[in-house]
Formats: sequence, structure tokens, C-alpha cells
Amino acid sequence: KAGVTQTPRYLIKTRGQQVTLSCSPISGHRSVSWYQQTPGQGLQFLFEYFSETQRNKGNFPGRFSGRQFSNSRSEMNVSTLELGDSALYLCASSGLSNRGEQFFGPGTRLTVL
Amino acid sequence: GQNIDQPTEMTATEGAIVQINCTYQTSGFNGLFWYQQHAGEAPTFLSYNVLDGLEEKGRFSSFLSRSKGYSYLLLKELQMKDSASYLCAPGGGYQKVTFGIGTKLQVIP
Repeated sequence: KAGVTQTPRYLIKTRGQQVTLSCSPISGHRSVSWYQQTPGQGLQFLFEYFSETQRNKGNFPGRFSGRQFSNSRSEMNVSTLELGDSALYLCASSGLSNRGEQFFGPGTRLTVL
Repeated sequence: GQNIDQPTEMTATEGAIVQINCTYQTSGFNGLFWYQQHAGEAPTFLSYNVLDGLEEKGRFSSFLSRSKGYSYLLLKELQMKDSASYLCAPGGGYQKVTFGIGTKLQVIP
């Protein structure tokens, strides 16, 4: 079974631009969560989608948004990028039978200049 | 909200035992996860405790006390490949998991 995939793996943008990141969960998994990871803050929860609906949301500004498609693939969008948005963005998927265990993708390294 | 406290760094010797503690204050607690993250890699699942007590899985064990808001991860027979960050993560419902900043463990010969 293929793991969680994320594209692109690396991205360089400038302040004010917007970016879209993509995540394909493990086949059969309907829950997709997004996290931001920085050295000082650790893993910060952004949001979680299940069956195309956002079920949970972290404490990030409205510039961070997401969506999930009918095939469970998910996208995350960040508008009006700021220098502080430079981070590793991880997505994780989980299935109903995994007791909440999350399987992480390799992440997208975003650098904002 | 969630408040998680774990040591930022620890060093232990190959072959030894190390215990990584985690205390948490949380609302809507369902269980507690431990994840391992090697530098430059994604986190991988180690354990999930729902009930109080110790759960053993090979060289790794995890303990939970719900009433005390306390958990620990015990690593036995340390190997060099165990050098990684260990993330304590209390979970609420619907995948609402909050990760601690992690404990960076260095295993030395």
C-alpha cells in the first residue's frame, strides 16, 4: 500500500505570494490533517478534513485554508505569504481502523523570501 | 486548550535505558500518542495509550496516568538509530491531536 504523498517537496516563494500544497492520503483513509513544523514551535495543528468537511481547525489566521476532494486528496492554501510562514508543512492521514494513528507524508519545505 | 511539557533534550548511552516524561493539561482527552521523528524525516507512530498503565511493544514501552496528566516513553537497550526526537501528543476526538515540541534524544557510544 502506498504511503502518504505530498507535492511539491520543496518550494520557494516571495512575500505576498500565495501557495497551494497537495496531499494524497493512503488509499482508504478519509481523514487528512495538516501541520506546520518549525524549530521553535514544533508541530502545530492547522486543520483536519474528513469526507470533504473540515472537522477541526487550529489557531492559524484565515490566510491558511484547505479543502478535501471526493477522492480524499487534500490541498492547503496559504495566501499573502509572510516570512514567518517558512516551515515544513506535513500532512497526515488516518483510517477508521487505526485508533487515530496518523501516517505522515514526507512534507513540503516552504521557504518565503 | 492544550499544554504539553517534555524535556527538550536528553543524552543516553548505547545499550542503556532512558525514560522520556511528558505532562499535559488538556480538554477533551481521549488518549495519548508517542511519535518518533528522525532529523529531516516525517514523524512515525510509536504508541497510543487510552487506559492507565503500561503498554509494551518490543524495546519501547509507554505509560499513561490519566488522573495525573502524565505519560512516559521508556526505551530499552538503546541503539544509535534511536537518536531522534520523541513527540508526546495528547489526542481529543476526531484526530484533534496536539503535539509537544518534542524531546531530542542523542544516543552516544
